Amino acid sequence: QKEVEQDPGPLSVPEGAIVSLNCTYSNSAFQYFMWYRQYSRKGPELLMYTYSSGNKEDGRFTAQVDKSSKYISLFIRDSQPSDSATYLCAMTPWGGYNKLIFGAGTRLAVHP
Amino acid sequence: EAGVAQSPRYKIIEKRQSVAFWCNPISGHATLYWYQQILGQGPKLLIQFQNNGVVDDSQLPKDRFSAERLKGVDSTLKIQPAKLEDSAVYLCASSFISGGNYGYTFGSGTRLTVV
Repeated sequence: QKEVEQDPGPLSVPEGAIVSLNCTYSNSAFQYFMWYRQYSRKGPELLMYTYSSGNKEDGRFTAQVDKSSKYISLFIRDSQPSDSATYLCAMTPWGGYNKLIFGAGTRLAVHP
Repeated sequence: EAGVAQSPRYKIIEKRQSVAFWCNPISGHATLYWYQQILGQGPKLLIQFQNNGVVDDSQLPKDRFSAERLKGVDSTLKIQPAKLEDSAVYLCASSFISGGNYGYTFGSGTRLTVV
C-alpha cells in the first residue's frame, strides 16, 4: 500500500464548476500538507500549505485536512481553463527534514 | 527572484550510457533536493543536501546514481550506467529552510529517455 493515495483522474469539468480533489494517507505522523499544481512540462508549484487539521482558503482555492480520517481535499471554485493541470498532494511529518511524500497526481481539464 | 535553473531540458541516451544533470538553486537557498518523477507518478526524493552535506540519500540507487553539491550552491546528478527504468523527469528543488515547513521551489526538470 502506498503511503499517499490519489485518484489519477482525468477529471473533466466545465468552466465555472467547483472541483474537488482528494488524497488519503496511511502515515499518522504526517502533520504538514501541501497541494502543488504542475503544468505540462513544468515543475510543480506550491498552491496551498496547511498544518494539521482544518481549513485554509486562498482566493478560489480551499484546502481541507481531516487528520482523524487521514483525508485531505482541495476545492477549486469557479474553475477556469487556466486551472487545467495536474494537482499533486504532498505531505511530511512533524520535525522531519522536509522530505515530501507525493501522491501520484490528479489530471484536471477545465473546458470552456 | 530567479527560479531554479536546470539543464539540459531533454536528454536521450542509450542504456548503459552515462548522463549528468545540472541544477542551480535560488540564491541563498541552503537546501537542495533532487526528485525523480516517473510518468504517471508523483515525485520521489532521491537526495537532499543541506549546504554541502547530504541529509537524506536513502532512496538514491547508489550503485548507479551519484550527486554532489560543490560549495553549497550548484549541484550535479549523475547516472552511470543508465537503465531503461531510469526514464523519468529529474526535478531539482531548493528551499530556504531545512526542517522547516515551507514548500519548495522546483525547477522545470530534465526529461530523460533511456532507449
